[in-house]
Amino acid sequence: EAGVTQFPSHSVIEKGQTVTLRCDPISGHDNLYWYRRVMGKEIKFLLHFVKESKQDESGMPNNRFLAERTGGTYSTLKVQPAELEDSGVYFCASSLGPEQYFGPGTRLTVT
Amino acid sequence: GDSVTQMEGPVTLSEEAFLTINCTYTATGYPSLFWYVQYPGEGLQLLLKATKADDKGSNKGFEATYRKETTSFHLEKGSVQVSDSAVYFCALSGAGGTSYGKLTFGQGTILTVHP
Repeated sequence: EAGVTQFPSHSVIEKGQTVTLRCDPISGHDNLYWYRRVMGKEIKFLLHFVKESKQDESGMPNNRFLAERTGGTYSTLKVQPAELEDSGVYFCASSLGPEQYFGPGTRLTVT
Repeated sequence: GDSVTQMEGPVTLSEEAFLTINCTYTATGYPSLFWYVQYPGEGLQLLLKATKADDKGSNKGFEATYRKETTSFHLEKGSVQVSDSAVYFCALSGAGGTSYGKLTFGQGTILTVHP
């Protein structure tokens, strides 16, 4: 069974540009989560999808971040325009129940 | 709000030494508690979990006991190996009666084991 995959693994962009991160959850997992870890600090929750619906988006930092999960399969997280403080590792996770399975993360560097 | 506090790292040990990484939490209700591990170049993996008070989670020689009275979930291993070198994260979920919800993480502890 394939695990959670994320694309790209690394992205380097300039301040003001747009970046779109993609997450493919484990097939059949209704729950999909986005997290990020900034500058070696704790991993922080961004949002939670149940199928295509946003269950909890309380962790989204501001309106420069837009997450979608059309059709309840893969999800994208767009940052527009990117700022320096958005640099970090963005993790995606999926689950059927309480145990979440994580992808390898996307390392985003904004210069 | 909910929070998790882990002992500051990094932790450096010799092979076969005893490991303890402290974790305490603040949460409403009865959360589930987890330890995740991130090996170099890989994603987060669930190491062990406990879903109610006095439960002991164990895996790969690691153990942690859910202590409600001290709001703690300390990670222990009796004899570490070089291959245990990784970043360890304590986390909780399900506080306040919500299920399948977000994880709240501690800041992570870097463990390095030397031969």
